[in-house]
Amino acid sequence: DTGVSQDPRHKITKRGQNVTFRCDPISEHNRLYWYRQTLGQGPEFLTYFQNEAQLEKSRLLSDRFSAERPKGSFSTLEIQRTEQGDSAMYLCASSGGPDYNEQFFGPGTRLTVL
Amino acid sequence: GDSVTQMEGPVTLSEEAFLTINCTYTATGYPSLFWYVQYPGEGLQLLLKATKADDKGSNKGFEATYRKETTSFHLEKGSVQVSDSAVYFCALSVADTGRRALTFGSGTRLQVQP
Repeated sequence: DTGVSQDPRHKITKRGQNVTFRCDPISEHNRLYWYRQTLGQGPEFLTYFQNEAQLEKSRLLSDRFSAERPKGSFSTLEIQRTEQGDSAMYLCASSGGPDYNEQFFGPGTRLTVL
Repeated sequence: GDSVTQMEGPVTLSEEAFLTINCTYTATGYPSLFWYVQYPGEGLQLLLKATKADDKGSNKGFEATYRKETTSFHLEKGSVQVSDSAVYFCALSVADTGRRALTFGSGTRLQVQP
């Protein structure tokens, strides 16, 4: 068990470009979450998957954002036509097993939009 | 909706001082409560949790008691160390409403001086 991993760790892009982030959860976890964290704030929920089904989306997840978990394992988060306001740390977490309330977080992907 | 309020930081203490970080919450259902810690340059780690009223979560000398009557989950440690310097986040989840996401407070930065 290597924990939750995210790739890339850092991404710098120009406004208007598309970016895609990947999250690999803990292997036996069937629940996967995406959060966004801006400087000085706590993480804010974006979306949640149980296996391959996307069961909940936050109002923060505008139509420029899309997330997938095609085979119930890794997940991708894509942001189209990035804006400077999208600059943040994007966190992935997973949970599963008997204590599904306990979420394990990855190191995050820091996005900077110039 | 659900929300978490934490005392603002930074909190600056000398080594071996007593620590309290206040956390209060509002929730639409019966929440589970968590404290997460973020050390400099690292990802979020679960510090402790409590799932029902009067439960006490504890880990690494930190404690917090789930107080339903005051809707609080204050974090305490009897003697802090320099290595405890980090940002601490209080969070809740309300599984019985079907939501799986964590709702976080804005975080409290702790600085412990030798």
